[in-house]
Amino acid sequence: DGGITQSPKYLFRKEGQNVTLSCEQNLNHDAMYWYRQDPGQGLRLIYYSQIVNDFQKGDIAEGYSVSREKKESFPLTVTSAQKNPTAFYLCASSIDSLGETGELFFGEGSRLTVL
Amino acid sequence: AQRVTQPEKLLSVFKGAPVELKCNYSYSGSPELFWYVQYSRQRLQLLLRHISRESIKGFTADLNKGETSFHLKKPFAQEEDSAMYYCAQSGGSYIPTFGRGTSLIVHP
Repeated sequence: DGGITQSPKYLFRKEGQNVTLSCEQNLNHDAMYWYRQDPGQGLRLIYYSQIVNDFQKGDIAEGYSVSREKKESFPLTVTSAQKNPTAFYLCASSIDSLGETGELFFGEGSRLTVL
Repeated sequence: AQRVTQPEKLLSVFKGAPVELKCNYSYSGSPELFWYVQYSRQRLQLLLRHISRESIKGFTADLNKGETSFHLKKPFAQEEDSAMYYCAQSGGSYIPTFGRGTSLIVHP
């Protein structure tokens, strides 16, 4: 079954702890993205990666880190430096960030709650 | 910076009524515009894109460069259209930028 898999679906974290959200895709897409979805604010880009071993900051990268060691994987770490980490996180991929279609394929999301 | 504006947080209509979800973009070049939809308990998915000029589930959207708009329309709303709708653009950087979303509620 092709697509994007995010895990875990729900995650609880104590303040001061780092947490890593997993995102895996088997679509053979070059580009991957992490968005944060908050009510009334839409989707805001955290980080994106156009190719393996390369990634760029998005609009709200502070307090987050990523890696792209494999084409199919793009994990997001929410660090203790992120001031307001409780949110719904969406991972997405596209064939090629410079492709004509530009269509994004999304995972089901991970809901992080900081206690 | 690229910006996508969806002025309505919530749009509430009755079944059979026309629907128009507004979207304005800021990119001055030749943007690529999309509408994404998120139904309850489902993942966000592409509804339609302007380059394909097609109608999906009865929805259409026309790119108006003069008004920098890409409004989503449907002549007769159905209950199953109730969902969250996001307008998105990708411009010169090709990194998709999303609007804040409009929640559409279609009452029976």
